[in-house]
Amino acid sequence: QITLKESGPTLVKPTQTLTLTCAFSGFSHSTNAVAVGWIRQPPGKALEWLAHIYGNDDKYYSTSLKSRLTITKDTSQNQVVLTLANVDPVDTGTYYCAHLQSSKYYTYDYWGQGTLVTVSS
Amino acid sequence: DIQMTQSPSSLSASVGDRVTITCRASQSISRNLNWYQQQPGKAPSLLIYGASILQSGVPSRFSGSGSGTDFTLTINSLQPEDFATYYCQQSYSSIMYTFGQGTKLEIK
Repeated sequence: QITLKESGPTLVKPTQTLTLTCAFSGFSHSTNAVAVGWIRQPPGKALEWLAHIYGNDDKYYSTSLKSRLTITKDTSQNQVVLTLANVDPVDTGTYYCAHLQSSKYYTYDYWGQGTLVTVSS
Repeated sequence: DIQMTQSPSSLSASVGDRVTITCRASQSISRNLNWYQQQPGKAPSLLIYGASILQSGVPSRFSGSGSGTDFTLTINSLQPEDFATYYCQQSYSSIMYTFGQGTKLEIK
């Protein structure tokens, strides 16, 4: 059974760096057929794809946020970490991590419950 | 970047109705289109992938169609648990997996 769970601070001050961790179980993140991604959702707004990382360490980032995002993995700990630098109140929202399966089609088939992050001074 | 445009942004319907939501891509994405359902306060869940393939466990009243740039999600015989927000997402471009802006389905 695949599960994912996000963790991190609930409150971050503007200009600080946000660090979120996705702890997962039920799959191996050591092949290029599997990725773990991050998606966020401002309150009352749409989903926004942020980044994902494959087991072979290939990384892909949102073009609009690429300069501020870093995604890394720790295969031994079954974790993926996302950092977002220089946060602003517009970065407030729920951050989800998700399992990306990549057979014929690429789909986020399992999601974490999400973690709400507020950026405020 | 590939842009995804959903319509309508909101929709009112009654239990038992049939509804259709459309999603248009700014360029051809073949059949690399996913649909997700999001209940209030919950994480999204995968409904359909590859434009028309029903995810395991999803009721057969949900169906998807389309290819290229135009796609539809149809829900037959709406049930109370179907009132939620629906998102399309393209997975054609490995550079960026864009979501649509969402369609909120409300009870009339």
